[in-house]
Amino acid sequence: DGGITQSPKYLFRKEGQNVTLSCEQNLNHDAMYWYRQDPGQGLRLIYYSQIVNDFQKGDIAEGYSVSREKKESFPLTVTSAQKNPTAFYLCASSRWVLAGAYNEQFFGPGTRLTVL
Amino acid sequence: GESVGLHLPTLSVQEGDNSIINCAYSNSASDYFIWYKQESGKGPQFIIDIRSNMDKRQGQRVTVLLNKTVKHLSLQIAATQPGDSAVYFCAENLRFTGNQFYFGTGTSLTVIP
Repeated sequence: DGGITQSPKYLFRKEGQNVTLSCEQNLNHDAMYWYRQDPGQGLRLIYYSQIVNDFQKGDIAEGYSVSREKKESFPLTVTSAQKNPTAFYLCASSRWVLAGAYNEQFFGPGTRLTVL
Repeated sequence: GESVGLHLPTLSVQEGDNSIINCAYSNSASDYFIWYKQESGKGPQFIIDIRSNMDKRQGQRVTVLLNKTVKHLSLQIAATQPGDSAVYFCAENLRFTGNQFYFGTGTSLTVIP
């Protein structure tokens, strides 16, 4: 059964703690992405990775970190430097295409992070 | 339509009626568009896509219309069902960026049985 899994579904964090959100895909996609979703706002890109051992900052990378040691996995760490981390976090993956081509992004079920 | 802010635009329709959800995109250089459906507490699901060299594309019970002149995208859902209740948002892909999308805020659709 192919797809993207995220864990945990719900996560609670105390202020000052780092937490890591898991994202795994078995779609054999090269590219993976992390988005943040807040009520009434569109998805905002945190980080993306085109290939193993490489990743790029998105629009709101401050206070977050990622790694891409395996093609299937792209974990996101929310650090204590992130001032307002309470949000719904979505991981996505896609084929990486060259300019001029098109492809859709497939999303995981999301992780809801709440800071206590 | 879509807007930035804390409150999503909402649309309520009677079961069996047709629904039309609108999206105004921002960049005239965008050349690929996707409509996603997102149920409460879940990740977005792909519904239908369209490239800028088309002005209409049909799927099962859904049709997407693209008007490049006014940078407007719409999603039409025929014979709306209770299971269609969700937030719908559009995503635009800038030409030559390949893999990066910009997402609208969404419209909340409620189907009344």
